[in-house]
Amino acid sequence: QQPVQSPQAVILREGEDAVINCSSSKALYSVHWYRQKHGEAPVFLMILLKGGEQKGHEKISASFNEKKQQSSLYLTASQLSYSGTYFCGTETTGNMLTFGGGTRLMVKP
Amino acid sequence: DAGVIQSPRHEVTEMGQEVTLRCKPISGHDYLFWYRQTMMRGLELLIYFNNNVPIDDSGMPEDRFSAKMPNASFSTLKIQPSEPRDSAVYFCASSFYPGHSPAYEQYFGPGTRLTVT
Repeated sequence: QQPVQSPQAVILREGEDAVINCSSSKALYSVHWYRQKHGEAPVFLMILLKGGEQKGHEKISASFNEKKQQSSLYLTASQLSYSGTYFCGTETTGNMLTFGGGTRLMVKP
Repeated sequence: DAGVIQSPRHEVTEMGQEVTLRCKPISGHDYLFWYRQTMMRGLELLIYFNNNVPIDDSGMPEDRFSAKMPNASFSTLKIQPSEPRDSAVYFCASSFYPGHSPAYEQYFGPGTRLTVT
């Protein structure tokens, strides 16, 4: 079953912060985050492991609440280059990811 | 490393024709995934292989779709006959799996944009 992402879209000004949420109805081994720019392939950002471990990538970080089966992606001091569609991928069985519907992020000058 | 290679990058065909999409995974990766992306359905997993063996093809929409991986460096996704509703971007991705969770990241190819008229 596909994880649910929210919001579906968000518009920011440069320097503003955003949070993208990903929620699953199944127990998860891990959560992966990818970013896809228009006309390009999804690119891996980070993996979140069981235990609430938080990972970071540039000014992008994320958390994973295993009990709630939820993950959140935090974008701080957003830059124009952060624009794109963000997908969470949830791992419930070995090496197979199910992707959410995506969150479209637009950062304006 | 050249990354995951897909061909063709664009394919325009008429309804009823056979379409073959090709993928070369990253050397050393033991998992290969075929995804389809549309506005309506998002990014869907069609089938995936481990060590050239199909593991789960439950995402393949119907018998018109078939996939093969004859060796570790090549895979094909075939649609026969093609229909307009098959129009989408098809991505191939590969990864290396350590044998236990969590899974490693997947590396996506540039995709093939298929248009069936």
